[in-house]
Amino acid sequence: GENVEQHPSTLSVQEGDSAVIKCTYSDSASNYFPWYKQELGKRPQLIIDIRSNVGEKKDQRIAVTLNKTAKHFSLHITETQPEDSAVYFCAAIYGQNFVFGPGTRLSVLP
Amino acid sequence: SAVISQKPSRDICQRGTSLTIQCQVDSQVTMMFWYRQQPGQSLTLIATANQGSEATYESGFVIDKFPISRPNLTFSTLTVSNMSPEDSSIYLCSAPGQGITDTQYFGPGTRLTVL
Repeated sequence: GENVEQHPSTLSVQEGDSAVIKCTYSDSASNYFPWYKQELGKRPQLIIDIRSNVGEKKDQRIAVTLNKTAKHFSLHITETQPEDSAVYFCAAIYGQNFVFGPGTRLSVLP
Repeated sequence: SAVISQKPSRDICQRGTSLTIQCQVDSQVTMMFWYRQQPGQSLTLIATANQGSEATYESGFVIDKFPISRPNLTFSTLTVSNMSPEDSSIYLCSAPGQGITDTQYFGPGTRLTVL
């Protein structure tokens, strides 16, 4: 069935450093890949997404890259700040449904 | 984007009872989605709620346990029936943004504790 893997499960970085989270998906028909940030006790918030017709998308300190051949996509956060600390979920769309990765807990240490 | 509200925000219920969660979207959408998020876990799709037709349930979820209503294009309810402590979780609804069919936005969630 559809599957999304996500690595690492936890990530600690020093403030100002970069963080990279990687996801792989199983269905080559997937064409939409969002990333969500979930702070403790809050709802998942869409932070960036990418569609299969582009290889990279950037929004200020956040970027996402997509390799459709290898079926993986990555979230890149530069110049990390303590407020970036949260759980990040990637997802891939299968038909009209999302399948989420297991999440990455990012801690940005001051 | 979409503005989505849910109620209740949290509840503590007794084993064997049922709880109905309401989800309201600020725009008309064809599909709404219900998810479960167990503590420290990812989001698992329970079902897709389509206006004017029966909900579509994912593997492991059945209508008798999680009946869903979708009376109009801005509202849906999820009922958790005959609850047990294993149903303790956060339940979230989501919907696409206005004019967008693939992006999903989430409600604030309902934190359910079953004693």
